[in-house]
Amino acid sequence: GENVEQHPSTLSVQEGDSAVIKCTYSDSASNYFPWYKQELGKRPQLIIDIRSNVGEKKDQRIAVTLNKTAKHFSLHITETQPEDSAVYFCAASTIGFNKFYFGSGTKLNVKP
Amino acid sequence: DTAVSQTPKYLVTQMGNDKSIKCEQNLGHDTMYWYKQDSKKFLKIMFSYNNKELIINETVPNRFSPKSPDKAHLNLHINSLELGDSAVYFCASSQDLPNSGAYGYTFGSGTRLTVV
Repeated sequence: GENVEQHPSTLSVQEGDSAVIKCTYSDSASNYFPWYKQELGKRPQLIIDIRSNVGEKKDQRIAVTLNKTAKHFSLHITETQPEDSAVYFCAASTIGFNKFYFGSGTKLNVKP
Repeated sequence: DTAVSQTPKYLVTQMGNDKSIKCEQNLGHDTMYWYKQDSKKFLKIMFSYNNKELIINETVPNRFSPKSPDKAHLNLHINSLELGDSAVYFCASSQDLPNSGAYGYTFGSGTRLTVV
């Protein structure tokens, strides 16, 4: 089965700096990679995703990159703000298989 | 309107009791899931139902039994609750639309179960 590893487990940055969270996966059949943000006491919410036919995707301050050869993908947040503080989860899935494998999460703290 | 709703939001119960958590989605999705998030924040899949049919059953104790009366509902029943069952349980739903970007989970708000 798929194994998703996520690093770092905690990340502390100063407001305005960039934050990068990295994930690796093991199953070359995985072709869909979403990122979820979970604020304290709330549900995980999809913030960005990427499919394996694309190498990079950007949405305002958030971007995701995918390297299929190396089997890793990363979340980049630029110009971080205190409201970006949350736990971020990466996941890997095969579209149509209906099962997501989640990374262990990264707690991001943005200091004002 | 809430897309994926779970009840109750909080559940405190004694060891040995039987309890149920209900989940309903109004998104018209075909697939629903139960995830367990423990104190270390790991999200682990427990079950997945597609059109009322069980398609994923991870290694969970058989004290946990999902029930899907229709594709909009997936309930979780837990027998003989144990201390280690304390966690947040998330329901989710998804719809695979291969030719669009609309894929991925919509999570419910979670049920915090505390077994004392």
